[in-house]
Amino acid sequence: GQNIDQPTEMTATEGAIVQINCTYQTSGFNGLFWYQQHAGEAPTFLSYNVLDGLEEKGRFSSFLSRSKGYSYLLLKELQMKDSASYLCAVRGLTGANNLFFGTGTRLTVIP
Amino acid sequence: DGGITQSPKYLFRKEGQNVTLSCEQNLNHDAMYWYRQDPGQGLRLIYYSQIVNDFQKGDIAEGYSVSREKKESFPLTVTSAQKNPTAFYLCASRNMNTGELFFGEGSRLTVL
Repeated sequence: GQNIDQPTEMTATEGAIVQINCTYQTSGFNGLFWYQQHAGEAPTFLSYNVLDGLEEKGRFSSFLSRSKGYSYLLLKELQMKDSASYLCAVRGLTGANNLFFGTGTRLTVIP
Repeated sequence: DGGITQSPKYLFRKEGQNVTLSCEQNLNHDAMYWYRQDPGQGLRLIYYSQIVNDFQKGDIAEGYSVSREKKESFPLTVTSAQKNPTAFYLCASRNMNTGELFFGEGSRLTVL
């Protein structure tokens, strides 16, 4: 089975740094994705980790530790437009290689 | 531009009616997916198709049906058998090389 845990909600201040954690327990692992989703809109791709370590992309970074079943998304220099839900998704090892999603973390950026 | 188009964006249905949600992609992706999203829950997989004329049930397929007659199209029918159909429905296709999912804008279905 698959189990993916993320905090439900977080609040952070404009200009600050926030870290959104994701822990997972899956029967197979073939990569972890982070998506951003604004209310009522489609999720958009942020990052992909398949090996341990940090992937940096502008203000966003994502970290993976496969041995710990743990990832985080780091957002720097927060802007008001970063208020959104952030979805952690794990890619399985089944023939379909489907993605399994966590419930998402709703981030609110305040002035 | 390449992408995924879902329609309609908003849909109202009376109880007992079937309704079909359209999903079209021009990304030349083989695999397509339908997810349902409810408040406080993660995306849940309804059906997926890895190739034309083939599809598989996801985790919550009961009350739904799909077809995949063309590579570009993967319509979802919400039948009257679906007991709680009010939700936000997302269609996606997958880049087989990277595994990344590309999503449509979603269809919000409300049953009156």
